[in-house]
Amino acid sequence: GAVVSQHPSRVICKSGTSVKIECRSLDFQATTMFWYRQFPKQSLMLMATSNEGSKATYEQGVEKDKFLINHASLTLSTLTVTSAHPEDSSFYICSAMPGGYEQYFGPGTRLTVT
Amino acid sequence: QQQVKQSPQSLIVQKGGISIINCAYENTAFDYFPWYQQFPGKGPALLIAIRPDVSEKKEGRFTISFNKSAKQFSLHIMDSQPGDSATYFCAATLSGAGSYQLTFGKGTKLSVIP
Repeated sequence: GAVVSQHPSRVICKSGTSVKIECRSLDFQATTMFWYRQFPKQSLMLMATSNEGSKATYEQGVEKDKFLINHASLTLSTLTVTSAHPEDSSFYICSAMPGGYEQYFGPGTRLTVT
Repeated sequence: QQQVKQSPQSLIVQKGGISIINCAYENTAFDYFPWYQQFPGKGPALLIAIRPDVSEKKEGRFTISFNKSAKQFSLHIMDSQPGDSATYFCAATLSGAGSYQLTFGKGTKLSVIP
């Protein structure tokens, strides 16, 4: 149980284009999902907290107009990187909570902006 | 200010040996302490977690020891195997106000050699 999927697993896009990453909880409903960014050999950096049916809460320093988050249902949250640039290249990971304290992570999405 | 300090940064253990990773936290309001295992190119996987009202929790070869007065907790991997080679992250959660955000340590890269 507690499986979280992400799609796509890898994406390459050109500078200036937008990319959407999906995060799904497959066997549970999640009122709260989180989006993280991870640079090579570093820890996870929380970008935003996504709550179903409401606006996401962004961490300090994260541009909400650049990283659009939509949590339209209890099993799906999306992260759209708008007008992507090479510095946005990173490993993006989502997590979801089935209830209680546990957070379960997706497999991650490797974004490369050329 | 880093709220969860993790050590060592890297660890090499002989197969069959005991791997020990330590974490220290500052915020006494933290009330949930999970450990995650991450393989290269994958999302973190929840390994084991503990609440501060318990001093030790064991699941298979993995044990968390928790010292509330010292504000420290550690992960012990018994009979370490090459398949345990991964990066391990400790984390802490502050459930007050319902945020459940994880504060991560910087990670420990474990290499188990045959």
